[in-house]
Formats: sequence, structure tokens, C-alpha cells
Amino acid sequence: ETAVFQTPNYHVTQVGNEVSFNCKQTLGHDTMYWYKQDSKKLLKIMFSYNNKQLIVNETVPRRFSPQSSDKAHLNLRIKSVEPEDSAVYLCASSWLGAYEQYFGPGTRLTVL
Amino acid sequence: GQQVQQSPASLVLQEGENAELQCNFSTSLNSMQWFYQRPEGSLVSLFYNPSGTKQSGRLTSTTVIKERRSSLHISSSQITDSGTYLCAMVDGGSNYKLTFGKGTLLTVTP
Repeated sequence: ETAVFQTPNYHVTQVGNEVSFNCKQTLGHDTMYWYKQDSKKLLKIMFSYNNKQLIVNETVPRRFSPQSSDKAHLNLRIKSVEPEDSAVYLCASSWLGAYEQYFGPGTRLTVL
Repeated sequence: GQQVQQSPASLVLQEGENAELQCNFSTSLNSMQWFYQRPEGSLVSLFYNPSGTKQSGRLTSTTVIKERRSSLHISSSQITDSGTYLCAMVDGGSNYKLTFGKGTLLTVTP
């Protein structure tokens, strides 16, 4: 049963455009994450938020900006996308300190 | 930084054979998870297994913290088991982010 929801499922855009991805979790967790899986299939952490506070920022380009309105939502905005931003973006949630993470279905971004 | 090595990178089995997937960690770990990744990219959590052995149906996960390794055993493989299997670890000093291996691509043939 899905408890971490992501929209959209797919998005195709052109270089230089702005995109936004949404993530919502209904598990009551206090920590949310964004991961990126590139063309080489390696999954890497991008950001982590705990109760709307940024706790992890893994040297991500400035055009990426996470936005959290409450602990159940963590959105990702990309200003002026570039071809290397084509990837699958996965959102996850957990309790801080509980280690086990629950993932959403992912958003596949294609930049033309 | 910590590294996660998965082996083999790919594996081809005939239906009914068993599979053993390995994960080795370069640093001490607080926990680890095994995932199955569907072709469209979504992740299915198979096991959250910080230590010891856990079983679910035909799948068994064993983590030995002292030896910094974990394994996933698939018995009596089925064609529907085909896909990518990922392991990931949490280092307690990392703000709880998961560090992933590169995955094992399993293909089960008739």
C-alpha cells in the first residue's frame, strides 16, 4: 500500500525551463528525503528535511531547491534545468533515527 | 566516504535455481535495507535488516555487522523475480541518509 506519493510520474521539458516535483507522505514521519538516480543507475541522496528543517544537503547545484511546508510534504524545484538533470527523482520518509526509509514511486525527468 | 559494494553486478539463472546476492560495506553500519527496483524505477523495500537473519517467503536476508556484509538469498527463483536488487546502508554519523550500492541485475529465464 502506497504511503509516499509523488507527482508527476513523468515530466519532459526543455533546457532552461523550471520544474517542480511534489512529495507527500501519510505515515506521520518527521523526516523526508530526495534521492536522484542518474543514467548509471546509482542512487544518491540530495536533501533531507526533519520537521521542515534542512539537515542534509549533498553538494547539489544551486538550481535545485527543496521546499517543505510541513513535515508531511517535501517538494523539489529545479530552476533552469540542464540535460544532466535527466534522472529519476525518488522521495522517501522515515522517523529520524529509525533508519528504515519508505520510498515513493519516483518522478522520471527527461530534459531535451 | 562510505562505500557499498554489491556483487555480482549481474546474474542469469534458470527458473527454479537459487540466487545469492552480496553486499559489503567499507565502514561500520547502523542498519541496512534491501530493495527491489521495478523497471519503471519505483523501489520496493524487501528487508530492513540491521543484524541477523530475516525471512519472507522465498527471500532470506542475513546481515553480519562485525563483518560489514549482508546477503540476500532467493530460493526457487521465478521469472517474476527478474529485476534490479539494491542494498543500502545507514551510517549513524551521516544524518541517517541511505548510501546505495550499484545493484545486481537478476535475469531469470524459463
